[in-house]
Amino acid sequence: EVVLTQSPGTLSLSPGERATLSCRASQSVNSIYLGWYQQKPGQAPRLLIYGASSRATGIPDRFSGSGSGTDFTLTISRLEPEDFAVYYCQHYSSSLGTFGQGTKVEIK
Amino acid sequence: EVQLVQSGAEVKKPGESLKISCKGSGYTFTTYWIGWVRQMPGKGLEWMGIIYPGDSDTRYSPSFQGQVTISADKSISTAYLQWSSLKASDTAMYYCARLSYGSGYSMDVWGQGTTVTISS
Repeated sequence: EVVLTQSPGTLSLSPGERATLSCRASQSVNSIYLGWYQQKPGQAPRLLIYGASSRATGIPDRFSGSGSGTDFTLTISRLEPEDFAVYYCQHYSSSLGTFGQGTKVEIK
Repeated sequence: EVQLVQSGAEVKKPGESLKISCKGSGYTFTTYWIGWVRQMPGKGLEWMGIIYPGDSDTRYSPSFQGQVTISADKSISTAYLQWSSLKASDTAMYYCARLSYGSGYSMDVWGQGTTVTISS
């Protein structure tokens, strides 16, 4: 079973700054099956990125994903007030999925 | 509009049984896997298992195998998550979500969540 480790646990930034979130897999994974989600308090998660680098429908282009093998990154180029939330990476393989533990992006 | 609508909040006692639901609409329900995800209070997301409503093929995460049962009734486009004997530790928010094979089996549509509270 693949274990996903996200870092940092919390990222304190100001609106307009760049956010870089990391997701490291315990073994090399197929990037086709790597996704990123955003969750705001009291809401269901929302798909941001699939296939490591493709934006989901309706996702602003300030969100971008990259990486391969064991190291993946979600970048928010310029933080908007609505971007302060918790972000999860997720991998799917052989009918089993796993989530990272999440990174909270909070207002500094 | 593609959507998943989950059943309402539940409050149960330890040892009771429970079945919560997730109804899909706006797409062909039988051709997409549906997954269930647990979120305990203040914690992260946990993958529980998935079902293919077309033939009810079901796969469980090892952590949840034997603890819950996932099922589906394709005639009414509804997936279910059930417990036969609830524990206090089952208190959580439960989400259903659609897995999109066109998006690397990411979860592209989510239900609104069902809160389950187990208390004596």
